[in-house]
Amino acid sequence: KQEVTQIPAALSVPEGENLVLNCSFTDSAIYNLQWFRQDPGKGLTSLLLIQSSQREQTSGRLNASLDKSSGRSTLYIAASQPGDSATYLCAVSGNQFYFGTGTSLTVIP
Amino acid sequence: DAGVIQSPRHEVTEMGQEVTLRCKPISGHNSLFWYRQTMMRGLELLIYFNNNVPIDDSGMPEDRFSAKMPNASFSTLKIQPSEPRDSAVYFCASSGEGVRGQPQHFGDGTRLSIL
Repeated sequence: KQEVTQIPAALSVPEGENLVLNCSFTDSAIYNLQWFRQDPGKGLTSLLLIQSSQREQTSGRLNASLDKSSGRSTLYIAASQPGDSATYLCAVSGNQFYFGTGTSLTVIP
Repeated sequence: DAGVIQSPRHEVTEMGQEVTLRCKPISGHNSLFWYRQTMMRGLELLIYFNNNVPIDDSGMPEDRFSAKMPNASFSTLKIQPSEPRDSAVYFCASSGEGVRGQPQHFGDGTRLSIL
């Protein structure tokens, strides 16, 4: 069974800092990998989706990379802002979706 | 553009009662997913439908759980009888292409408490 791990579980950074969130998965036979953010009491908001044939995707201050052969993805957030504070989850799709347990990010003003 | 709509937002009921959660996916999406989120187990896929047909229900915990999708714009997740360990946040999500290509869009969830 696919296992998805996110490290660290929690991260606290000062505003303006660049940061990297990590996601690793055990089975490289995936269709795609998706990054989400979840705000307290809310559902998940899709940030970026990387197809298995792609290496990276960018949206604004966010850049996600995928190295399928090594089972790794990173989410890079540039110039972090307090509004970026949330839990970030990655999910991989094979025969179904598998989610990591998330990284709780706090950006300190 | 209306997103995925779930109801109720909160449900508190006593053990043994029947619980029905409802979901309206985004119009035009042909795949629908039900998830459960707990602190202990994180986000787990319970079942997903493609074109109203259940494709994978291997995540449904036991026979007390059932899900239906009678048409493209409505789905229910039913628990009967409910137990305290079913307490969790239940999310519904929809996408345009099953597990293969399109981003999933989530509703705001139903927070279920079984006393």
